[in-house]
Amino acid sequence: NAGVTQTPKFRVLKTGQSMTLLCAQDMNHEYMYWYRQDPGMGLRLIHYSVGEGTTAKGEVPDGYNVSRLKKQNFLLGLESAAPSQTSVYFCASSSIQGSFYEQYFGPGTRLTVT
Amino acid sequence: AQSVSQHNHHVILSEAASLELGCNYSYGGTVNLFWYVQYPGQHLQLLLKYFSGDPLVKGIKGFEAEFIKSKFSFNLRKPSVQWSDTAEYFCAVDTGGFKTIFGAGTRLFVKA
Repeated sequence: NAGVTQTPKFRVLKTGQSMTLLCAQDMNHEYMYWYRQDPGMGLRLIHYSVGEGTTAKGEVPDGYNVSRLKKQNFLLGLESAAPSQTSVYFCASSSIQGSFYEQYFGPGTRLTVT
Repeated sequence: AQSVSQHNHHVILSEAASLELGCNYSYGGTVNLFWYVQYPGQHLQLLLKYFSGDPLVKGIKGFEAEFIKSKFSFNLRKPSVQWSDTAEYFCAVDTGGFKTIFGAGTRLFVKA
């Protein structure tokens, strides 16, 4: 099992450029999440998904869009990147079975917007 | 608004010292509580969790945490830290409805 993987690991964008971050999980988890981690602020939820074809806003959704076309994949898009979106982005997944609230995290994507 | 407070942002200890990291949350209902750890260059991984039952929970690598409902606290402890415990530690509270709130994190540095 690879667990949760994220692509790419690092990216530098210029203001106004767009990009998509890919998250994939091979644990057949129903729920998936995108967080951003900023110094001194912990992790903040951007968007989440409770199943294929469904998404919902988290705490800081502005400037981001997401899609969950397949159960195993959760994409995070930045349509017009801004310097305020410089951050480390983590994807996570969790299962409806067992320890429902325990989340499994990916390795993160470090994004710099100049 | 619901929140999670971690009292110390940076902690420096010598090896073999005891560790206690504070975590308080603001929510009056039922909660599920977690401590996650992020070792340098790695992703977050679960250290321990509390859902119900015995308020003293034991996790991996000798860590334990105690849930004190009356104090809205879930402090993390370890009797004797090692250099390999150098990491950032996050307290997290789940109040249901996909709302897991993370604290700001505590960076622990253990001197060899």
